[in-house]
Amino acid sequence: EDQVTQSPEALRLQEGESSSLNCSYTVSGLRGLFWYRQDPGKGPEFLFTLYSAGEEKEKERLKATLTKKESFLHITAPKPEDSATYLCAAGGYNTDKLIFGTGTRLQVFP
Amino acid sequence: DAGITQSPRHKVTETGTPVTLRCHQTENHRYMYWYRQDPGHGLRLIHYSYGVKDTDKGEVSDGYSVSRSKTEDFLLTLESATSSQTSVYFCAISATASYGYTFGSGTRLTVV
Repeated sequence: EDQVTQSPEALRLQEGESSSLNCSYTVSGLRGLFWYRQDPGKGPEFLFTLYSAGEEKEKERLKATLTKKESFLHITAPKPEDSATYLCAAGGYNTDKLIFGTGTRLQVFP
Repeated sequence: DAGITQSPRHKVTETGTPVTLRCHQTENHRYMYWYRQDPGHGLRLIHYSYGVKDTDKGEVSDGYSVSRSKTEDFLLTLESATSSQTSVYFCAISATASYGYTFGSGTRLTVV
């Protein structure tokens, strides 16, 4: 059964304290691994798609990486405005659907 | 959110009544999805559409039906609302199954 697991559930960081969020996936034939950011009361906002192991993508203080079993979202020198819930999702070639993890709630304090 | 709107944004309804949520897009995307989001469960797929009049079930489809008679509109109907369907409902669109989704702002539904 396809499954996506995110850890930790919650993460508190001091401003400037770099860290990583983990997304472990079990999908038959990965079509894509997706990262989203969700602010309270809003819909998820698309960040990155990764298609193959070894691929990396960056956007400002965020960098996403992918291996055959997991993806990491690295946050370098975070700022309070990076506080949000980060979701990952995976889709396989045998389906049009994505499976979402339950998210990591990140809080960055000044 | 640009290109996708959900209505209503908030709704309170009574147990046993039918409810219809609307998702409207202006992007001409082929794929449209309905998710519900609950604490501890994350986003769960209810139904999705891969074209006009082409729909399929997700993992939590019981008690829900959908219709897509035009590319731009995807309707979610709760046939007889129950308290367990109290949730935040998100619509999403995508040009292909391999692209990232664009989500709407959500509908907060409370069934009393």
